Amino acid sequence: RKEVEQDPGPFNVPEGATVAFNCTYSNSASQSFFWYRQDCRKEPKLLMSVYSSGNEDGRFTAQLNRASQYISLLIRDSKLSDSATYLCVVNMASWGKLQFGAGTQVVVTP
Amino acid sequence: EAQVTQNPRYLITVTGKKLTVTCSQNMNHEYMSWYRQDPGLGLRQIYYSMNVEVTDKGDVPEGYKVSRKEKRNFPLILESPSPNQTSLYFCASSLARTYEQYFGPGTRLTVT
Repeated sequence: RKEVEQDPGPFNVPEGATVAFNCTYSNSASQSFFWYRQDCRKEPKLLMSVYSSGNEDGRFTAQLNRASQYISLLIRDSKLSDSATYLCVVNMASWGKLQFGAGTQVVVTP
Repeated sequence: EAQVTQNPRYLITVTGKKLTVTCSQNMNHEYMSWYRQDPGLGLRQIYYSMNVEVTDKGDVPEGYKVSRKEKRNFPLILESPSPNQTSLYFCASSLARTYEQYFGPGTRLTVT
């Protein structure tokens, strides 16, 4: 079993719709969680850190569920420019060691 | 401008010919890390460094070396490259207390 797992998608989303997807992690002692976006094999860019209380940044909302060991990302009012691969990253409780999920592809269509 | 730079951006080399990919950041970040990205496998951590002279193995360190003699630089060394090291490589840096990483533009390496 992979330590960080994501549904690869693609999630095909009409423009203006809402899309949500999860990322599960295996290590219950994991400390830090992040969402990155990556466009066409370019460098990943930090979208948001995920806090225990959940956090929101504009149209993006991230949640952490420690009991079930997953994080989620919700995108509201999807834009064409939201089309990308979304990577979850987990600090696996080992000093400095970070694990990436393989990514969830989102395609927003007109 | 805050950035992470990598050089070269593209490299084609032959098996066994030692090479170094440089990585430099101008944000005074303590933490630096190298990743490789292969189709279907996502990014996998090769080595990371928590600060100067402090390095540690990630998930796929075999065939790679790193050094951290200065805070801003974290070169990746392939002593004897092999075709299975053909990949897209990313360097990243962050503050050690946040792990909110900034990535370099990537280096596409082909080993024939």
